[in-house]
Amino acid sequence: AQSVSQHNHHVILSEAASLELGCNYSYGGTVNLFWYVQYPGQHLQLLLKYFSGDPLVKGIKGFEAEFIKSKFSFNLRKPSVQWSDTAEYFCAVNAGGGRDDKIIFGKGTRLHILP
Amino acid sequence: DAGITQSPRYKITETGRQVTLMCHQTWSHSYMFWYRQDLGHGLRLIYYSAAADITDKGEVPDGYVVSRSKTENFPLTLESATRSQTSVYFCASSWAGGRVSGYEQYFGPGTRLTVT
Repeated sequence: AQSVSQHNHHVILSEAASLELGCNYSYGGTVNLFWYVQYPGQHLQLLLKYFSGDPLVKGIKGFEAEFIKSKFSFNLRKPSVQWSDTAEYFCAVNAGGGRDDKIIFGKGTRLHILP
Repeated sequence: DAGITQSPRYKITETGRQVTLMCHQTWSHSYMFWYRQDLGHGLRLIYYSAAADITDKGEVPDGYVVSRSKTENFPLTLESATRSQTSVYFCASSWAGGRVSGYEQYFGPGTRLTVT
């Protein structure tokens, strides 16, 4: 069965610090990968996605993620965070190419940016 | 463009009562999903639907019932609410299942349900 692990449950950074949130998945076949963000009091929004092509994916608000197939990872990065990046971030995976339509979410990482 | 809406946004009910959470989308998306969000568990899939009259279980379906008579609606019913079902419930929709070209899911605003 697919699973997604997010290593950091709670991250606290100061503004302008660099960010990297870890995400690993367990599925050996073709995968579609997503990062979603949930700002305080709001619903989930797509930050970026990977399903083929360049393994370095750029998303909204300066975020990017790199798909490293050999490591089963899809880490989220941002070179300089802002206070407005305070949110909860969810990595998600789907077994693309298979019969499974489900997207499995990680447990989330709460990011708190200090002004 | 209303997108995807959920009602009610907040609900308090008693143990043993039946509760129905509504989800409506205006995009004619084929797929719809119900998740619950709990601290420490992230998002867990309850049920999903690939099209009208087609539903399938997710990770935590026990105690829940869904139906999809119309493409745009996907109600979630708690047949006999329990305290463990206190949670925030999110509905989502997508053009296709995640396995097809990585189509993303669009989420509703959520329903905060408290079972006393």
